[in-house]
Amino acid sequence: DAEITQSPRHKITETGRQVTLACHQTWNHNNMFWYRQDLGHGLRLIHYSYGVQDTNKGEVSDGYSVSRSNTEDLPLTLESAASSQTSVYFCASSRDRSTDTQYFGPGTRLTVL
Amino acid sequence: DAKTTQPNSMESNEEEPVHLPCNHSTISGTDYIHWYRQLPSQGPEYVIHGLTSNVNNRMASLAIAEDRKSSTLILHRATLRDAAVYYCILAGTYKYIFGTGTRLKVLA
Repeated sequence: DAEITQSPRHKITETGRQVTLACHQTWNHNNMFWYRQDLGHGLRLIHYSYGVQDTNKGEVSDGYSVSRSNTEDLPLTLESAASSQTSVYFCASSRDRSTDTQYFGPGTRLTVL
Repeated sequence: DAKTTQPNSMESNEEEPVHLPCNHSTISGTDYIHWYRQLPSQGPEYVIHGLTSNVNNRMASLAIAEDRKSSTLILHRATLRDAAVYYCILAGTYKYIFGTGTRLKVLA
């Protein structure tokens, strides 16, 4: 069955380190998204991509970057991790239009000490 | 950007209908209204969506106001497994904004 996976599921890192969170989907969806979820804030969009070589900033993109070299993967990189980036990160994908249903991964819990 | 407003929490008795409201007064003509729910320790999952007309599926019904400035997710018979955070989202070109959602508690 097609699916969307995230790795690692849990990560502890130190302030200042570079961290990359992986997201892989097997639906062949054009659109992929990264969100973070913090208590009291719901989900907030970090970056999104509408296809290979396309990336766009969301509402909370500072300190994060993404690259889309193929359809299946959208890795999220924290260039220099900060304690404020401690959060649960969710990756999602959707087929074509921005209005299509999004399918979410299981999440990655990141702790920055 | 268009935003949605939902009550922070609601309670329902098991086997009774639940009406979850959402206000989206700044909705634009091309925005779809999506509903997702998030069970504890899981990613959000799709529930239902619509544009102008009311919609039904096996999980729920979506009632959309005539002016589209509000909508209501209807769970016809709440079960304990429906306890979750429900998000109302406006989905349009270059925007897919989650609010803080409504935490639904189902009482046995």
